[in-house]
Amino acid sequence: GNSVTQMEGPVTLSEEAFLTINCTYTATGYPSLFWYVQYPGEGLQLLLKATKADDKGSNKGFEATYRKETTSFHLEKGSVQVSDSAVYFCALLHNNAGNMLTFGGGTRLMVKP
Amino acid sequence: GAGVSQSPSNKVTEKGKDVELRCDPISGHTALYWYRQSLGQGLEFLIYFQGNSAPDKSGLPSDRFSAERTGGSVSTLTIQRTQQEDSAVYLCASSFGQGAANYGYTFGSGTRLTVV
Repeated sequence: GNSVTQMEGPVTLSEEAFLTINCTYTATGYPSLFWYVQYPGEGLQLLLKATKADDKGSNKGFEATYRKETTSFHLEKGSVQVSDSAVYFCALLHNNAGNMLTFGGGTRLMVKP
Repeated sequence: GAGVSQSPSNKVTEKGKDVELRCDPISGHTALYWYRQSLGQGLEFLIYFQGNSAPDKSGLPSDRFSAERTGGSVSTLTIQRTQQEDSAVYLCASSFGQGAANYGYTFGSGTRLTVV
C-alpha cells in the first residue's frame, strides 16, 4: 500500500537558519505530493504541492521538489522565522486509493528567536 | 461558506455517552473526509464520501463509529458509548473529488473531543 515517512521531530532551529524536513514515500506510479502545515491551535493548511516528477512546489519561502528517482519530497526553507513554528505533514494522493490522502506522522518545527 | 466549518470546536463528554460531530464542507465540493488526530500523533483516516457513491468506511476503528452525509453536503460523525481512547481532534476536509490530486483538500479547524 501507499505510505509516507517523514523525519521525527521536534526540529529546533534558530531564526534565519536553513530548514530541511525529509519526506519519502512508497507508492506505485506517480502520486501527487503535498506538504500541509498546522499552526498551533489551527487546522491543517495546504502549504505546497507537486503533481508530477521534477515539479517544484513553492509557497511562503518554502520549496519541495518531487524526486521520482529517490521517491522523496523534502521540504526546505532558506531562512526560517519564529512564525514558521508549526507541525508539518507530508502527504501523497494516488488514484489507486481513490482520493484519499495518506499522511506522514508530522514533524514539529520550533524556531527560537 | 468560504471554508470547511466544523462544530462544536470543543466537546467534553462523559465516558459511555454518545456524541455527534458536524462538518459543513465548502459548497460545490463533492468529496468529504474525516480524519482523527490523537495527541502527538499523525492523522488517521476514518471515512470518505464521494458524491452519491457508497462511502469508504475502511478507517473506522470500531462499530461505535458511524458517519452520514445528507444531501451530498453536511456530514455528521457519531461516536456511540464513547471511551477515553476516543479523545482526539476530529478533522473534516472537503475537495473537488477528482480534483483532489491537483488541489488537495481544504480542512476545517477540527473538533477537540475529550472523554472524561
